This record gives sequence, C-alpha cells and structure tokens, in this order.
Amino acid sequence: KAGVTQTPRYLIKTRGQQVTLSCSPISGHRSVSWYQQTPGQGLQFLFEYFSETQRNKGNFPGRFSGRQFSNSRSEMNVSTLELGDSALYLCASSDGQGDEKLFFGSGTQLSVL
Amino acid sequence: QKEVEQDPGPLSVPEGAIVSLNCTYSNSAFQYFMWYRQYSRKGPELLMYTYSSGNKEDGRFTAQVDKSSKYISLFIRDSQPSDSATYLCAMGRGAQKLVFGQGTRLTINP
Repeated sequence: KAGVTQTPRYLIKTRGQQVTLSCSPISGHRSVSWYQQTPGQGLQFLFEYFSETQRNKGNFPGRFSGRQFSNSRSEMNVSTLELGDSALYLCASSDGQGDEKLFFGSGTQLSVL
Repeated sequence: QKEVEQDPGPLSVPEGAIVSLNCTYSNSAFQYFMWYRQYSRKGPELLMYTYSSGNKEDGRFTAQVDKSSKYISLFIRDSQPSDSATYLCAMGRGAQKLVFGQGTRLTINP
C-alpha cells in the first residue's frame, strides 16, 4: 500500500504571498490531519478533515485553511505569508475511527523570505 | 505548562546500551499513547502504540504507560546506530487531535 504523499517537498515564498500544499492519504483512509513542525514549538495541530468536513481545528489564525475532496485528498492553504510561517508542514492520514493512529507523509518544507 | 513535556536532549549513548526516553503529561483524559520516530528530512513514523495503561513490547522496543503518574516511557534494548533519530511521544483522547512532545534527539555511537 502506498503511503501518504505530500507535494511539493520544498517551497520558497516571500512575505505576503500565499501557498497551497497538497496531500494524498493512504488508500482507504478518510481522515486527513495537518500539523506544523518548527524547532521551537514542535508539532502543532492545524486541522483535521473527515469525509470532506473539517472535524477539528487547532489554534491557528484564519490565514491557515484547508479542504478535503471526495477522493480524500486534501489541500492546505496559507495566505498572506509571514516569516514565522516557515516550517515543515506534515500531513497525516488515518481511518478516522478514533484509535488516533496517524501515518505521516514526508512533509513540505516551507521557507518564507 | 505544556500538556506534554519531553526532554529534548540531545541524548548520546554507545551502541548496545539500553536507552530510556520519557514523557510526562497533565491531561488525565488521554487514553491513547504513542511513540513516533523521525529521521532527518522525513515525517514521523509510528513506532509503538498503547491504549490505556500497561506495557507493550515489540522486538527491541518496550513502551510503558503509567496513567496514575501521568508518565510514559520508551525503552530501546541493544541500541543500534540506525536507531539514531528524534523520538516523539504523542497522546490523544479519541478526538483525532494528537498532542506531541517536543521530541528527544538520540544518537547511538558505534
């Protein structure tokens, strides 16, 4: 079974721009979660989608948004980029049935200049 | 105070040593306890999974959960250089929203 696929692997943007990251979950998984990882804050939860609906949301500003498509693929968008948004963005999939087992992709490394 | 506390290390031990990694937490609602391993430039990989209290063993790895003390541990026996990575503890309460520790960077020296 193929794992979680995230594209692109690396992105360089400038302040004020917007960015869209993509995630394809493990086949059969209906839940997709997004996390931000930085050296200072560690892994922080952004949001979780299940069957195209946002089911959980972390404490991030509204500039961070996401969506999920009918095939369970998900996208995450960050608008008006700030320097502090530089981070590794990780997508994780699960079957969404509550056992909390998450399977992560390799992430998208975003650098904001 | 963070919900999950984990010593970031770094921790450096010789090959063959027993490694002990630990996390403490404050939220008594946590029921699911996990350890993830993350290699450089990779995403976290699920290593051990425990529901509620108790011990779980998988090869050289043993995970322990003590809910009364709000303390979880991961032991690595006969450590190998390939075990060098960052180890993250994670906890959840069935809400599909894991809370992670800061991660401990571990180096096994040949």
